[in-house]
Amino acid sequence: EDQVTQSPEALRLQEGESSSLNCSYTVSGLRGLFWYRQDPGKGPEFLFTLYSAGEEKEKERLKATLTKKESFLHITAPKPEDSATYLCAVPEDYKLSFGAGTTVTVRA
Amino acid sequence: DAGVIQSPRHEVTEMGQEVTLRCKPISGHNSLFWYRQTMMRGLELLIYFNNNVPIDDSGMPEDRFSAKMPNASFSTLKIQPSEPRDSAVYFCASGRQTNTEAFFGQGTRLTVV
Repeated sequence: EDQVTQSPEALRLQEGESSSLNCSYTVSGLRGLFWYRQDPGKGPEFLFTLYSAGEEKEKERLKATLTKKESFLHITAPKPEDSATYLCAVPEDYKLSFGAGTTVTVRA
Repeated sequence: DAGVIQSPRHEVTEMGQEVTLRCKPISGHNSLFWYRQTMMRGLELLIYFNNNVPIDDSGMPEDRFSAKMPNASFSTLKIQPSEPRDSAVYFCASGRQTNTEAFFGQGTRLTVV
């Protein structure tokens, strides 16, 4: 049973072309939702934690939002350096259950 | 803070050999995780330690895999004997508390030939 589903699998953007990634979850009693960025050959890098519906967090061109059923990662006016795989995860008991990720490619 | 430190970064070994991966978690973190990442299965939790005690090893694929955490600053993941299907990137991560964000190391890319 999939707890975390991310869409789309891949996203190709032109520099400056804003877009959003989706993370939907089925766990009950959500105790947080985490976003990570992973560059090729590196470990996932923690970006944000969201705890309650309506919460928003921002970091540079990234903004994460949370509803009762899903989270969105908005990328505003992306640059090539925003190219990476973005992973979301939810805590299931003590462990983090990860989605498969969305690979974002930003072309100059 | 240096972050989670893993060694080696790359390991190439022959089938049947023993492989030991090492991890130094962030100081002060109570939780330690070993994950494996492959293209087919994504990130999979292998084992979870809390305060140096293994809490859940249900993700360890076979008895060939074992993990230890002798103290708060060091953990190992051992594969003996290794097989080609063990080829993957192995990550160690640590966190302050249960159900909080985890911080990952750079990973060990293991290739078993």
